[in-house]
Amino acid sequence: SQQGEEDPQALSIQEGENATMNCSYKTSINNLQWYRQNSGRGLVHLILIRSNEREKHSGRLRVTLDTSKKSSSLLITASRAADTASYFCATASNDYKLSFGAGTTVTVRA
Amino acid sequence: DTAVSQTPKYLVTQMGNDKSIKCEQNLGHDTMYWYKQDSKKFLKIMFSYNNKELIINETVPNRFSPKSPDKAHLNLHINSLELGDSAVYFCASSPQEEKLFFGSGTQLSVL
Repeated sequence: SQQGEEDPQALSIQEGENATMNCSYKTSINNLQWYRQNSGRGLVHLILIRSNEREKHSGRLRVTLDTSKKSSSLLITASRAADTASYFCATASNDYKLSFGAGTTVTVRA
Repeated sequence: DTAVSQTPKYLVTQMGNDKSIKCEQNLGHDTMYWYKQDSKKFLKIMFSYNNKELIINETVPNRFSPKSPDKAHLNLHINSLELGDSAVYFCASSPQEEKLFFGSGTQLSVL
């Protein structure tokens, strides 16, 4: 069954602006991960945040995790045209499954 | 050097046919997966193998049969293909069930 749900489904921003997308999930997790998928390609891992962490940074990416609300957010700062892609959150539980949502499609306009 | 490679990239076939998709990883990972991505981009796990042993087998028709000859390979065989099998199939591998490394996908079209 689907675990993570991203919001919004689609996002269009101007180059240089920030992009924020959210992920909500239903059951307890060990960690939550964000992936990027460019059109016609496989998913690429961006960042992993563990259940005992609240915030993590990687370059222009900032991820937060609120386990009490069962939600996470991904912020991309100073967006570039190359950031145009679909972004997926995935939750890892104890059963080795990584469950994905349907993604947020981000379009960065030049 | 491609870390996770799957072939073919495109597969167009008639209903009722049997087809296979191959996957190989050169990362030395113990765990490999097959995921199916539908037209709405929803990604669903199908199978997972750890050191050639099946550890995840989701509710998938038994027309789908994974085979892992060694821990670097995980192939997917599909019998009696149906229209609803059309999707993009992704192979992935991971070390210790953490982050996944994906192949570039196989787009299957059943006519």
